[in-house]
Amino acid sequence: GQQVMQIPQYQHVQEGEDFTTYCNSSTTLSNIQWYKQRPGGHPVFLIQLVKSGEVKKQKRLTFQFGEAKKNSSLHITATQTTDVGTYFCAGPRTYKYIFGTGTRLKVLA
Amino acid sequence: ETGVTQSPTHLIKTRGQQVTLRCSSQSGHNTVSWYQQALGQGPQFIFQYYREEENGRGNFPPRFSGLQFPNYSSELNVNALELDDSALYLCASSLGLAGANTGELFFGEGSRLTVL
Repeated sequence: GQQVMQIPQYQHVQEGEDFTTYCNSSTTLSNIQWYKQRPGGHPVFLIQLVKSGEVKKQKRLTFQFGEAKKNSSLHITATQTTDVGTYFCAGPRTYKYIFGTGTRLKVLA
Repeated sequence: ETGVTQSPTHLIKTRGQQVTLRCSSQSGHNTVSWYQQALGQGPQFIFQYYREEENGRGNFPPRFSGLQFPNYSSELNVNALELDDSALYLCASSLGLAGANTGELFFGEGSRLTVL
């Protein structure tokens, strides 16, 4: 079945350093979503990408959707302590969204 | 705030018991999806309800069942609880088109179930 993998599983960075998480699907996706889950919290929607090669920015966050629509990345510039949490990508499969394995980010002040 | 509310927030059960978790979806959303999230894992799809009908199911046994009501609120029932059922259960509402998920999922805070 369709699988969505993310790397790395964990990332510790010093505050001010950049961070990137990569998402890979075994099948072509019609769109991809990204969510952030703070420790002890619930997933919160960040963005949806639809077009091949699409790049979207939200302040310090840059999201990319691969040309083949099978991979995506999230890049955070100059991380802050408020960026701490687990970042999930999610791809649709008919009626449901399949979530990736997540990348847990810790930011050291 | 997403407007999605879940209850109870925490509960403890013993093996073999039954549990019912509740979810009120965001106003105007006709689709509710339930996910199970074990500690340190990503959310795993349990099933989805669209306009009171089960619209799809993940790899969960029949002892996981659900309902959706005319106001689009939903329940998740788990019978014969097992230790591995201990997890955060998340409800997500969305606006589905013919049952297909194309938009943002709005998650509730979750119900944390511990099975002893």
